[in-house]
Amino acid sequence: DTAVSQTPKYLVTQMGNDKSIKCEQNLGHDTMYWYKQDSKKFLKIMFSYNNKELIINETVPNRFSPKSPDKAHLNLHINSLELGDSAVYFCASSQSGRARNNEQFFGPGTRLTVL
Amino acid sequence: EDQVTQSPEALRLQEGESSSLNCSYTVSGLRGLFWYRQDPGKGPEFLFTLYSAGEEKEKERLKATLTKKESFLHITAPKPEDSATYLCAVAAGGTSYGKLTFGQGTILTVHP
Repeated sequence: DTAVSQTPKYLVTQMGNDKSIKCEQNLGHDTMYWYKQDSKKFLKIMFSYNNKELIINETVPNRFSPKSPDKAHLNLHINSLELGDSAVYFCASSQSGRARNNEQFFGPGTRLTVL
Repeated sequence: EDQVTQSPEALRLQEGESSSLNCSYTVSGLRGLFWYRQDPGKGPEFLFTLYSAGEEKEKERLKATLTKKESFLHITAPKPEDSATYLCAVAAGGTSYGKLTFGQGTILTVHP
């Protein structure tokens, strides 16, 4: 019954490693997002996809690469992990990106810790 | 640049003590203002969307209002289960499709 799901829930890794976080939504939404929430709980958008097309790409390092195989999935791959990448990453989805259909529904988050 | 500022950063209430949370925003054409609730260790949960000044929405003990510069989340007779972080976000005209700019949140604690 989970609307937006992410795996894994926790990810602990060493600096320099490459890791991926997966996201799936079963709401039939067209738009999906990745957000980063830092230690001060500030939530900031990273990417958004609409029907598998990249729409938003904020000033995120090239080490972060989103991939959307279909409109129900949006994965996040991170190369050469750095200490500053430690945060909670949230996936979200919305019916569309337009204001009146942009209620975004969030997944449970993936807590990434880089040692 | 779009900005969202929430106050206070933290609010402690006794059960039954009504209060309000504030969300001030500066955007180039507001397309929508959103309120979310976030419990520890969980993702934000959608509460309300407001689109134009004067609009109000209610859900149980929560009521959200909107003016041209700010939004208030009024909590009437809160219960301990209302304890959470409340986040405000805006979607602005001229920004990328679907982009929300979030405030830093207000941590609400309701004591029995």
